[in-house]
Amino acid sequence: GENVEQHPSTLSVQEGDSAVIKCTYSDSASNYFPWYKQELGKRPQLIIDIRSNVGEKKDQRIAVTLNKTAKHFSLHITETQPEDSAVYFCAASTGGYGNKLVFGAGTILRVKS
Amino acid sequence: GAVVSQHPSWVICKSGTSVKIECRSLDFQATTMFWYRQFPKQSLMLMATSNEGSKATYEQGVEKDKFLINHASLTLSTLTVTSAHPEDSSFYICSAARLAQETQYFGPGTRLLVL
Repeated sequence: GENVEQHPSTLSVQEGDSAVIKCTYSDSASNYFPWYKQELGKRPQLIIDIRSNVGEKKDQRIAVTLNKTAKHFSLHITETQPEDSAVYFCAASTGGYGNKLVFGAGTILRVKS
Repeated sequence: GAVVSQHPSWVICKSGTSVKIECRSLDFQATTMFWYRQFPKQSLMLMATSNEGSKATYEQGVEKDKFLINHASLTLSTLTVTSAHPEDSSFYICSAARLAQETQYFGPGTRLLVL
């Protein structure tokens, strides 16, 4: 089955700097890759997703890149703010309705002001 | 987006009792919902896929007789933790997607503490 690895496990950046979180996946059939942000005690919230027919997607300060050949995808957050501090999870799926997500271990992002 | 609710938000029970958790999609229908368990400082681990009108599909290592799932309507799935023990204490979260779409939206979670 699918296996998703996520690095780093913790990341501290200064406010205004960029943060990059990387994930690799094992199943070449995976074609849907969402990123979720989870604040302490709260539900995971989708912040951006990408499908395998696209190499990059951007939404304001957040971007995701996908390299299908290398089977890895990355989350980029620019101009970080204290409110970006949270746990970020990547996930992979073979896509389509009803297909399960396999999550990475998570990255604790701390933005220091 | 889409709104998913869970009830209760937290529950404390004695060892040996059963606890039912509800997951509702409030503004959309979902023939498939997912149940996850999350231990402190860990990732979300899929327990089972809940299918409306049919049996749930459990992940390897998850006891189907202990974690009973019922998906009786297009907007409601329930997870019952039977004969709960302290090791079942965890954060249980459900998710659902709009029909024919793949984006999953998560409920707020239910924190279970078994004494």
